[in-house]
Amino acid sequence: AQSVAQPEDQVNVAEGNPLTVKCTYSVSGNPYLFWYVQYPNRGLQFLLKYITGDNLVKGSYGFEAEFNKSQTSFHLKKPSALVSDSALYFCAVRPFGSSGSARQLTFGSGTQLTVLP
Amino acid sequence: NAGVTQTPKFQVLKTGQSMTLQCAQDMNHNSMYWYRQDPGMGLRLIYYSASEGTTDKGEVPNGYNVSRLNKREFSLRLESAAPSQTSVYFCASSQTEISTDTQYFGPGTRLTVL
Repeated sequence: AQSVAQPEDQVNVAEGNPLTVKCTYSVSGNPYLFWYVQYPNRGLQFLLKYITGDNLVKGSYGFEAEFNKSQTSFHLKKPSALVSDSALYFCAVRPFGSSGSARQLTFGSGTQLTVLP
Repeated sequence: NAGVTQTPKFQVLKTGQSMTLQCAQDMNHNSMYWYRQDPGMGLRLIYYSASEGTTDKGEVPNGYNVSRLNKREFSLRLESAAPSQTSVYFCASSQTEISTDTQYFGPGTRLTVL
């Protein structure tokens, strides 16, 4: 079965500084990787995904993520953080080729990002 | 387009009561999902429907039933609510159930079972 680890429950960064939210995964075969963001009292919004090809994926709101197969990681990054980026971030993985519920999206526990003014 | 809508937004039940959470999508998606979100645990899949007329269990199906009413609507029913079902429930949809398709989420239903 696949799994996702987000090792930091909380990340604090000053506005204007670069930010990184970490994600590592475990899956049999090739992974499909996703990042979602959740603002308070809202549903999850899709940010970006890695399917295949270029290891650096660019997404919404200036976010990007780098797929590293050897380290089984998919860290979310942004060059310059905004206060409005403060939210809960989820990494998720789906495996290629499985069937039924085993092929479904598995989420990490989430990382609360706080950008300080 | 409204995307994925859910009703109600909030609900308080007593143990043993039943209720149905409603979900609808206007994106002409084939696949729909129900998740629950608990603190420190991310989202866990309860049930999903790969296409109209089919439903399958996810990771945590016990205590729940679902109905894919038509292509747009996918409801989640709690027959006899328990305090362990206190959670935030999210509905999602995707074009198909293939692994590369993005899932789009509704705003959630916050359920408290006393």
